[in-house]
Formats: sequence, C-alpha cells, structure tokens
Amino acid sequence: NAGVTQTPKFRILKIGQSMTLQCAQDMNHNYMYWYRQDPGMGLKLIYYSVGAGITDKGEVPNGYNVSRSTTEDFPLRLELAAPSQTSVYFCASSPINYGYTFGSGTRLTVV
Amino acid sequence: AQRVTQPEKLLSVFKGAPVELKCNYSYSGSPELFWYVQYSRQRLQLLLRHISRESIKGFTADLNKGETSFHLKKPFAQEEDSAMYYCARSFGNEKLTFGTGTRLTIIP
Repeated sequence: NAGVTQTPKFRILKIGQSMTLQCAQDMNHNYMYWYRQDPGMGLKLIYYSVGAGITDKGEVPNGYNVSRSTTEDFPLRLELAAPSQTSVYFCASSPINYGYTFGSGTRLTVV
Repeated sequence: AQRVTQPEKLLSVFKGAPVELKCNYSYSGSPELFWYVQYSRQRLQLLLRHISRESIKGFTADLNKGETSFHLKKPFAQEEDSAMYYCARSFGNEKLTFGTGTRLTIIP
C-alpha cells in the first residue's frame, strides 16, 4: 500500500502563478484533508472532504480551492500565489472515527 | 472555538530521564484526543489516541477532564524519541485541531 501520496515534494512559484498540489490515497478512506504547517503555528486546516463530491472549508481557506471527484484524489489548487502561501502542505486521509494517515508533504515557496 | 495548547515549543531531556509533554484543550463536551509524532525527514504519524488507552513506544497519555489535559509521558527517554510532537483533538467529527507542537530533544 502506498498510503497517501503527495506530489510534488518541492516547488518554487512566482507571485501570481497558479499550481495544483496533488494528493492521492489508496486506502478507500472517506475523509481527506489539506493542512498547512507554518513554523511555530502548528497545522491549520485549509479544506476537507467527507466523501466524493463533498468539500468544505477549514480554518484558512482563502486563496485555495479543492475538488473531490473520486474517493482517491483530493487536489488543492492555488490560483494566484502569494508570499503568505509559502508553507509546507500536508494532505491526510482517515476512515470514520480513526486517526489520520499523512502524506510526506509539499514544501512550497512563493517568491 | 476548539483550541489545543502546547505550552512548550522546545523541550530537552537527558537520555534515561522521564519525559512529559504538556497538552491542554478547550473544554467542549466529549473530545477525542490524539498525539502525533514527526521524526526527522518523516511524515506525521499517529502515536496514540486516548480512546485506545494503549502504550506506544513506551509513551502513555491520560485524559484528565477536570484539568482538560492530555499530557504525553514516558518514564525513560531514549535518543530515538527526539522528534516533533503534536497534540490534537476532534469533537463530533473527524476534523482535527492541532496544537503548535513541541520539539523534543533527547540529550545523550
């Protein structure tokens, strides 16, 4: 089992560019999440999904969009990159009532 | 709002000494509490959850509803315990709220 796979691992974007962070899981988990991790700030929830076709905002959704067309995939879209979006992004998935399985993260720098 | 507080950003402990990483949460009904660990260059992984009442890698954590705490403890620290530790809670659904984390360093 691959678990939760995130691509790319690293990316440098220029201000105003767009990109999609990919996340895929092969555990048939209903729930999927996107977090960002900033130094000294812990993990903040950006968006989450409780199943295919259903997404909802987390704590810090501004500047991001998501879609969940299949159970396996949960991509995160940055439309107009800003320096404030420099962070490490983690995708995670979980079955109902259990702990998360995390991806290895994407380190994004916006310059 | 749900809050999880980890008061120590950094904690250094000598090998063989007891370890306690503090975690307090905002009271709201019946929370579910977790500890996650991130070793160097590895992904975040679940260490333990309060509902399991288990010991993982020698760590235990007891939910104290009176003090709204879920401190992580280990009687004898080992060098391989050096990592970033996050306390997290959920309430009524699967969304987790994380604390800011504590970086634990075990001194040989």
